[in-house]
Amino acid sequence: IAGITQAPTSQILAAGRRMTLRCTQDMRHNAMYWYRQDLGLGLRLIHYSNTAGTTGKGEVPDGYSVSRANTDDFPLTLASAVPSQTSVYFCASSMDRGQGYTFGSGTRLTVV
Amino acid sequence: KQEVTQIPAALSVPEGENLVLNCSFTDSAIYNLQWFRQDPGKGLTSLLLIQSSQREQTSGRLNASLDKSSGRSTLYIAASQPGDSATYLCAALSSGGYNKLIFGAGTRLAVHP
Repeated sequence: IAGITQAPTSQILAAGRRMTLRCTQDMRHNAMYWYRQDLGLGLRLIHYSNTAGTTGKGEVPDGYSVSRANTDDFPLTLASAVPSQTSVYFCASSMDRGQGYTFGSGTRLTVV
Repeated sequence: KQEVTQIPAALSVPEGENLVLNCSFTDSAIYNLQWFRQDPGKGLTSLLLIQSSQREQTSGRLNASLDKSSGRSTLYIAASQPGDSATYLCAALSSGGYNKLIFGAGTRLAVHP
């Protein structure tokens, strides 16, 4: 089934630990994105990639890094997790600006 | 800076009613506008995508309109059903800069039998 796969589905992480959230798409979309969703704050863009080999910062990039080595994968890394990074993380993709976004099912991360 | 507002924040209606969900955006220079549905604890499901050159899009019982000049979009749900209960999000993609979809806070809809 074409779409976006995120892993893990949920995770409890000790503060200070390093964590990578995985995102893979099989639609050959050029652009990929990471959002976090928090109650009362809605969905906010963390990082994006318009095409393989390029990345950019969104609204709330601090504490996160991304890489885009190929078209399909767009991992999000928390170098040293803090409790304020407790959130639901969504990966999304789009073919180009004219096309709509497709979202993954999310990763629920709790940092304690 | 683009801001997206959705009204009402929550809505509870009996089954069978026709509904209108409202979305407004501050910057009319949008590339497109997308409506999503989100069930509790789940991801976002795309419902309708309206390009800036279009006035409306329809899918089944759903119809979304776009008026760029007034900065508004509406999602019309005909003959609502309990299965329509979810949070509905609108998101605007601005014309300038990188691809950045700006979301509204959503309308939480409950359709009761």
